[in-house]
Amino acid sequence: DVKVTQSSRYLVKRTGEKVFLECVQDMDHENMFWYRQDPGLGLRLIYFSYDVKMKEKGDIPEGYSVSREKKERFSLILESASTNQTSMYLCASSQPVVGAGFFGPGTRLTVL
Amino acid sequence: SQQGEEDPQALSIQEGENATMNCSYKTSINNLQWYRQNSGRGLVHLILIRSNEREKHSGRLRVTLDTSKKSSSLLITASRAADTASYFCATVHYNNAGNMLTFGGGTRLMVKP
Repeated sequence: DVKVTQSSRYLVKRTGEKVFLECVQDMDHENMFWYRQDPGLGLRLIYFSYDVKMKEKGDIPEGYSVSREKKERFSLILESASTNQTSMYLCASSQPVVGAGFFGPGTRLTVL
Repeated sequence: SQQGEEDPQALSIQEGENATMNCSYKTSINNLQWYRQNSGRGLVHLILIRSNEREKHSGRLRVTLDTSKKSSSLLITASRAADTASYFCATVHYNNAGNMLTFGGGTRLMVKP
């Protein structure tokens, strides 16, 4: 069974903390994506990567950074968490030229 | 800004009826995909239609694509209570650095038994 896994289902952090969200895929996909999902706003693309060590900004990159040191792992970093970053974070991977996206179960992050 | 917008935002139907959801987008695309999300879970890919295709079927799902109008529709026939979920369209388009997969706001479908 192909899989995209995310490090935590639920996470509670305090304002100002550095937060790492990790995503691992076992399908040897080149493309990986990070989204946040908020009620009424759908999924918004934060960052994406089409190769190891490559990263590109999506629609809402402010306040986030990413790391892709290995093909299977794509990390999202909140350098200094703020309450407006409370959200559901979803990771996805796909084959080149973006075929079907495979999603992880999501991480619900609460920043207090 | 979001590439795709779904219409309606919410839809409530009786079991056995057909459900139609529409998606409009802004720029040229490589392909368009539809996803389903059950409450609080990750998204599941349903169907992909390429920009040179006009219609595609998968079981009870039928997707159409009109690139001249930059729109797509998802039809679920003979709906079941288990089809209750949110449905999202996503477009793949090139954005200088690579191909992006961007989503609309989704349609919440409720199928009443």
